[in-house]
Amino acid sequence: DIQMTQSPSAMSASVGDRVTITCRASQGISNYLAWFQQEPGKAPKRLIYSASSLQSGVPSRFSGSGFGTEFTLTISSLQPEDFATYYCLQHNNYPYTFGQGTKLEIK
Amino acid sequence: EVQLVESGGGLVKPGGSLRLSCAASGFIFSSYSMTWVRQAPGKGLEWVSSMSGSSGHSSYADSVKGRFSMSRDNGKNSVYLQMSSLRVEDTAVYYCARIGYDTAPDYWGQGTLVTVSS
Repeated sequence: DIQMTQSPSAMSASVGDRVTITCRASQGISNYLAWFQQEPGKAPKRLIYSASSLQSGVPSRFSGSGFGTEFTLTISSLQPEDFATYYCLQHNNYPYTFGQGTKLEIK
Repeated sequence: EVQLVESGGGLVKPGGSLRLSCAASGFIFSSYSMTWVRQAPGKGLEWVSSMSGSSGHSSYADSVKGRFSMSRDNGKNSVYLQMSSLRVEDTAVYYCARIGYDTAPDYWGQGTLVTVSS
């Protein structure tokens, strides 16, 4: 199975900050990597697909990059509504595997 | 508008069974694979199973293989998760999601809570 190591597990930041979250795959997954945002008590929402493509309707301050084993999600200027938990997902093959999550809190 | 609505969650005793349903609308259901993902209280997301749109080929996480069975009825635009031999550790919110053409989940339902407890 492919293991996804996501870091950091939690972080605090301020409105307007630039934030980067990283996911590392235990083996190459090409660009089969998606990023999700989850607010408390709600379903996950897809932000990025194919490692770097922005999901329709998602603000352009979100961006993704990477290929193979190293991937990043960047939020260029944090907004109050961005404080949530973020997950990466590898869908190169089954079993699909998620990163452990990054909880982004207000500083 | 794509909509996915799960139902069937509830309280069940260890060793019991439960069947979850997911009703889909707003897209050509038979053209898409579907998936179930769960989230234990206070924990992260865990992929459970997936099923293709046409062939009905399914895949399962090792943690549920042999106990859970996914099925779909394209005529009813619905997907199901039959869960048996339930364990305390199966307690979670279960989400139904559509798998996009890029093979990642794109649209998610609101989830249904399954609690396994004596």
